Amino acid sequence: GENVEQHPSTLSVQEGDSAVIKCTYSDSASNYFPWYKQELGKRPQLIIDIRSNVGEKKDQRIAVTLNKTAKHFSLHITETQPEDSAVYFCAASISSNTGKLIFGQGTTLQVKP
Amino acid sequence: DTAVSQTPKYLVTQMGNDKSIKCEQNLGHDTMYWYKQDSKKFLKIMFSYNNKELIINETVPNRFSPKSPDKAHLNLHINSLELGDSAVYFCASSLPGQGYRNEQFFGPGTRLTVL
Repeated sequence: GENVEQHPSTLSVQEGDSAVIKCTYSDSASNYFPWYKQELGKRPQLIIDIRSNVGEKKDQRIAVTLNKTAKHFSLHITETQPEDSAVYFCAASISSNTGKLIFGQGTTLQVKP
Repeated sequence: DTAVSQTPKYLVTQMGNDKSIKCEQNLGHDTMYWYKQDSKKFLKIMFSYNNKELIINETVPNRFSPKSPDKAHLNLHINSLELGDSAVYFCASSLPGQGYRNEQFFGPGTRLTVL
Protein backbone atom coordinates (compact mmCIF):
# COMPACT_ATOMS: atom_id res chain seq x y z
CA GLY A 1 0.00 0.00 0.00
CA GLU A 2 0.92 3.67 -0.12
CA ASN A 3 3.61 4.83 2.29
CA VAL A 4 4.81 8.36 3.00
CA GLU A 5 8.16 9.02 4.66
CA GLN A 6 8.82 12.44 6.18
CA HIS A 7 12.10 13.99 7.36
CA PRO A 8 13.33 15.39 9.63
CA SER A 9 11.25 14.41 12.64
CA THR A 10 12.35 17.56 14.47
CA LEU A 11 13.71 20.85 13.15
CA SER A 12 14.93 23.85 15.10
CA VAL A 13 15.68 27.17 13.36
CA GLN A 14 16.32 30.76 14.35
CA GLU A 15 13.63 33.29 13.65
CA GLY A 16 14.08 34.65 10.15
CA ASP A 17 15.81 31.54 8.82
CA SER A 18 14.27 29.15 6.30
CA ALA A 19 12.93 25.68 7.08
CA VAL A 20 12.62 22.76 4.69
CA ILE A 21 10.70 19.55 5.30
CA LYS A 22 10.94 16.66 2.85
CA CYS A 23 8.63 13.76 2.02
CA THR A 24 8.77 10.78 -0.27
CA TYR A 25 5.85 8.62 -1.36
CA SER A 26 5.70 5.10 -2.70
CA ASP A 27 2.60 4.92 -4.92
CA SER A 28 3.29 6.49 -8.32
CA ALA A 29 -0.49 6.85 -8.82
CA SER A 30 -0.62 9.51 -6.07
CA ASN A 31 -1.58 12.84 -7.55
CA TYR A 32 -2.51 15.12 -4.66
CA PHE A 33 -0.10 16.28 -1.95
CA PRO A 34 -1.36 18.47 0.90
CA TRP A 35 0.50 19.84 3.90
CA TYR A 36 -1.16 20.23 7.28
CA LYS A 37 -0.05 22.28 10.27
CA GLN A 38 -0.97 21.23 13.80
CA GLU A 39 -0.32 23.66 16.62
CA LEU A 40 0.07 22.29 20.12
CA GLY A 41 -3.23 20.92 21.40
CA LYS A 42 -5.07 21.96 18.24
CA ARG A 43 -6.47 20.24 15.19
CA PRO A 44 -4.52 19.76 11.92
CA GLN A 45 -5.28 22.42 9.32
CA LEU A 46 -4.45 22.55 5.63
CA ILE A 47 -1.83 25.19 4.79
CA ILE A 48 -0.97 24.40 1.17
CA ASP A 49 -1.46 21.65 -1.38
CA ILE A 50 -0.22 20.72 -4.83
CA ARG A 51 -1.41 18.56 -7.66
CA SER A 52 0.85 16.22 -9.60
CA ASN A 53 0.75 18.24 -12.81
CA VAL A 54 2.33 21.23 -11.06
CA GLY A 55 5.98 21.41 -10.01
CA GLU A 56 5.81 24.28 -7.55
CA LYS A 57 3.25 26.35 -5.71
CA LYS A 58 3.80 29.37 -3.48
CA ASP A 59 1.61 31.17 -0.96
CA GLN A 60 3.35 34.10 0.74
CA ARG A 61 6.11 32.62 2.93
CA ILE A 62 5.35 28.98 2.21
CA ALA A 63 6.01 27.00 -0.94
CA VAL A 64 5.75 23.39 -1.96
CA THR A 65 7.79 21.67 -4.66
CA LEU A 66 7.08 18.33 -6.27
CA ASN A 67 9.41 16.00 -8.16
CA LYS A 68 7.06 13.38 -9.55
CA THR A 69 9.83 11.35 -11.16
CA ALA A 70 11.68 10.97 -7.89
CA LYS A 71 8.44 10.82 -5.87
CA HIS A 72 9.63 13.61 -3.60
CA PHE A 73 7.85 16.71 -2.38
CA SER A 74 8.99 19.40 0.02
CA LEU A 75 7.65 22.26 2.12
CA HIS A 76 9.68 25.45 2.27
CA ILE A 77 9.01 28.14 4.86
CA THR A 78 10.95 31.38 4.50
CA GLU A 79 11.47 34.15 7.07
CA THR A 80 10.26 31.87 9.85
CA GLN A 81 8.43 33.38 12.80
CA PRO A 82 7.75 31.97 16.28
CA GLU A 83 4.11 31.38 15.31
CA ASP A 84 5.33 28.93 12.65
CA SER A 85 6.28 26.57 15.52
CA ALA A 86 4.05 23.51 15.15
CA VAL A 87 3.95 19.95 13.84
CA TYR A 88 3.80 19.77 10.06
CA PHE A 89 2.41 16.75 8.21
CA CYS A 90 2.77 15.93 4.56
CA ALA A 91 0.27 13.59 2.92
CA ALA A 92 -0.35 11.86 -0.38
CA SER A 93 -3.56 10.81 -2.02
CA ILE A 94 -4.96 9.37 -5.20
CA SER A 95 -7.83 11.69 -6.08
CA SER A 96 -10.91 9.60 -5.85
CA ASN A 97 -14.22 9.50 -4.11
CA THR A 98 -12.67 7.89 -1.04
CA GLY A 99 -10.48 10.94 -0.35
CA LYS A 100 -8.02 8.73 1.52
CA LEU A 101 -4.92 10.60 2.74
CA ILE A 102 -1.76 8.83 3.83
CA PHE A 103 0.14 11.05 6.23
CA GLY A 104 3.86 11.27 6.88
CA GLN A 105 5.15 10.87 10.42
CA GLY A 106 5.19 14.61 11.12
CA THR A 107 7.94 17.19 11.69
CA THR A 108 8.07 19.25 14.87
CA LEU A 109 9.32 22.69 13.89
CA GLN A 110 10.63 25.00 16.59
CA VAL A 111 11.37 28.61 15.67
CA LYS A 112 13.56 30.28 18.28
CA PRO A 113 13.08 34.02 18.74
CA ASP B 1 -19.97 28.57 13.85
CA THR B 2 -18.40 25.18 14.43
CA ALA B 3 -17.61 23.30 11.22
CA VAL B 4 -16.67 19.90 12.65
CA SER B 5 -17.46 19.20 16.28
CA GLN B 6 -16.71 16.24 18.52
CA THR B 7 -17.91 15.19 21.94
CA PRO B 8 -16.54 14.62 24.43
CA LYS B 9 -13.27 16.55 24.31
CA TYR B 10 -11.73 14.41 27.05
CA LEU B 11 -12.59 10.85 27.99
CA VAL B 12 -10.97 9.01 30.89
CA THR B 13 -12.09 5.44 31.51
CA GLN B 14 -11.06 2.08 32.86
CA MET B 15 -9.84 -0.87 30.85
CA GLY B 16 -12.64 -3.12 29.67
CA ASN B 17 -15.25 -0.37 29.47
CA ASP B 18 -17.24 0.57 26.35
CA LYS B 19 -17.30 4.19 25.20
CA SER B 20 -18.55 6.29 22.28
CA ILE B 21 -17.31 9.46 20.61
CA LYS B 22 -19.66 11.57 18.53
CA CYS B 23 -18.88 13.75 15.53
CA GLU B 24 -20.99 16.21 13.58
CA GLN B 25 -20.23 18.46 10.63
CA ASN B 26 -22.29 21.34 9.27
CA LEU B 27 -20.26 21.86 6.10
CA GLY B 28 -22.54 19.82 3.87
CA HIS B 29 -19.71 17.39 3.13
CA ASP B 30 -20.41 13.89 1.85
CA THR B 31 -17.43 12.13 3.40
CA MET B 32 -16.36 11.78 7.02
CA TYR B 33 -13.33 10.13 8.59
CA TRP B 34 -11.94 8.90 11.88
CA TYR B 35 -8.22 9.24 12.57
CA LYS B 36 -6.16 8.06 15.51
CA GLN B 37 -3.20 10.17 16.63
CA ASP B 38 -0.88 8.31 18.96
CA SER B 39 1.61 9.66 21.46
CA LYS B 40 4.21 10.07 18.71
CA LYS B 41 1.80 12.34 16.81
CA PHE B 42 1.35 9.87 13.97
CA LEU B 43 -2.00 10.42 12.21
CA LYS B 44 -3.51 7.19 10.93
CA ILE B 45 -6.83 6.82 9.16
CA MET B 46 -9.23 4.30 10.67
CA PHE B 47 -12.53 4.60 8.83
CA SER B 48 -14.31 6.69 6.25
CA TYR B 49 -17.97 7.00 5.30
CA ASN B 50 -19.41 8.54 2.18
CA ASN B 51 -23.12 9.32 2.39
CA LYS B 52 -23.57 6.84 5.23
CA GLU B 53 -21.72 4.09 3.36
CA LEU B 54 -18.45 2.65 4.71
CA ILE B 55 -15.74 3.20 2.08
CA ILE B 56 -12.49 2.92 4.04
CA ASN B 57 -11.92 0.34 6.74
CA GLU B 58 -8.27 0.11 7.67
CA THR B 59 -6.78 -2.63 9.79
CA VAL B 60 -8.56 -1.75 12.99
CA PRO B 61 -9.61 -4.19 15.75
CA ASN B 62 -13.24 -5.31 15.64
CA ARG B 63 -13.70 -3.58 18.99
CA PHE B 64 -13.96 -0.33 17.02
CA SER B 65 -17.27 0.16 15.26
CA PRO B 66 -18.20 3.32 13.38
CA LYS B 67 -21.79 4.32 12.74
CA SER B 68 -23.13 6.99 10.43
CA PRO B 69 -26.84 7.71 10.98
CA ASP B 70 -26.73 10.41 8.29
CA LYS B 71 -24.05 12.12 6.24
CA ALA B 72 -23.58 14.87 8.83
CA HIS B 73 -22.79 12.49 11.69
CA LEU B 74 -20.17 9.82 12.25
CA ASN B 75 -19.86 8.18 15.64
CA LEU B 76 -17.20 5.81 16.94
CA HIS B 77 -17.98 3.12 19.47
CA ILE B 78 -15.18 1.26 21.19
CA ASN B 79 -15.77 -1.97 23.11
CA SER B 80 -13.56 -3.51 25.77
CA LEU B 81 -11.13 -0.62 25.93
CA GLU B 82 -7.43 -1.44 26.21
CA LEU B 83 -4.45 0.62 27.38
CA GLY B 84 -3.21 0.87 23.78
CA ASP B 85 -6.40 2.64 22.75
CA SER B 86 -5.23 5.75 24.60
CA ALA B 87 -4.77 8.42 21.93
CA VAL B 88 -6.37 11.50 20.43
CA TYR B 89 -9.16 10.62 18.01
CA PHE B 90 -9.92 13.13 15.29
CA CYS B 91 -13.01 13.26 13.15
CA ALA B 92 -12.73 14.98 9.76
CA SER B 93 -14.91 15.70 6.77
CA SER B 94 -14.34 16.58 3.13
CA LEU B 95 -15.82 16.72 -0.35
CA PRO B 96 -13.52 14.40 -2.31
CA GLY B 97 -13.95 14.19 -6.03
CA GLN B 98 -14.49 17.95 -6.28
CA GLY B 99 -11.65 18.67 -8.65
CA TYR B 100 -8.33 17.57 -7.24
CA ARG B 101 -8.51 19.22 -3.86
CA ASN B 102 -9.58 17.09 -0.96
CA GLU B 103 -9.19 19.48 1.95
CA GLN B 104 -10.11 17.64 5.10
CA PHE B 105 -11.57 19.70 7.94
CA PHE B 106 -10.71 18.24 11.31
CA GLY B 107 -12.68 18.35 14.53
CA PRO B 108 -11.02 19.48 17.79
CA GLY B 109 -10.14 15.92 18.78
CA THR B 110 -11.12 13.66 21.67
CA ARG B 111 -8.33 12.73 24.06
CA LEU B 112 -9.04 9.20 25.28
CA THR B 113 -7.14 7.94 28.30
CA VAL B 114 -7.57 4.31 29.33
CA LEU B 115 -6.44 3.52 32.87
